[in-house]
Amino acid sequence: AQSVAQPEDQVNVAEGNPLTVKCTYSVSGNPYLFWYVQYPNRGLQFLLKYITGDNLVKGSYGFEAEFNKSQTSFHLKKPSALVSDSALYFCAVRHHYGGATNKLIFGTGTLLAVQP
Amino acid sequence: DAGITQSPRYKITETGRQVTLMCHQTWSHSYMFWYRQDLGHGLRLIYYSAAADITDKGEVPDGYVVSRSKTENFPLTLESATRSQTSVYFCASSESIRGGNTGELFFGEGSRLTVL
Repeated sequence: AQSVAQPEDQVNVAEGNPLTVKCTYSVSGNPYLFWYVQYPNRGLQFLLKYITGDNLVKGSYGFEAEFNKSQTSFHLKKPSALVSDSALYFCAVRHHYGGATNKLIFGTGTLLAVQP
Repeated sequence: DAGITQSPRYKITETGRQVTLMCHQTWSHSYMFWYRQDLGHGLRLIYYSAAADITDKGEVPDGYVVSRSKTENFPLTLESATRSQTSVYFCASSESIRGGNTGELFFGEGSRLTVL
């Protein structure tokens, strides 16, 4: 069965410092991996995705994520955090095989708090 | 260009009452989903639909009913609301992954339901 783990409920970082939000996954075969961000009282917004190709994926708002197949991880990163990056971040996974449904399995979320 | 809209945004009801949450999308996406978001659980899939008149259960379907008579609408009904159904409900849509689409989900703003 597919699953996603976000081991940290909250990540605290000072503005200007690099940030990492961790995600590990379990799926048979090749995964499609996604990161979403949720601001207070809003829906989830798509940040970036890994499908195939380069292990380093770049997305919106300066975020990037590194796919590591051997460690089954897809950590979200940003070189220099902003206070406005403070939000709830979700990692999600889907099977990569033909004829499948579009279902995404989400992690439990990590709250990122960037202190000024 | 709202894309996907949910109504109502906020709803308070009593145990045993029927409640319907509406979801409308303007992209003609074939797939639509209902998730609930609860602290400590992240997002859990309730029901999804691959096309009009095709629906299927997700991870937590008990107590919910869905229908999809038109591609653009996917209402979620709680036939007899319980306190455990107090949650934030998110509707999402995506293109079919057939044809090479990667299937990222686009979310509505959420419906916050409180069952007293």
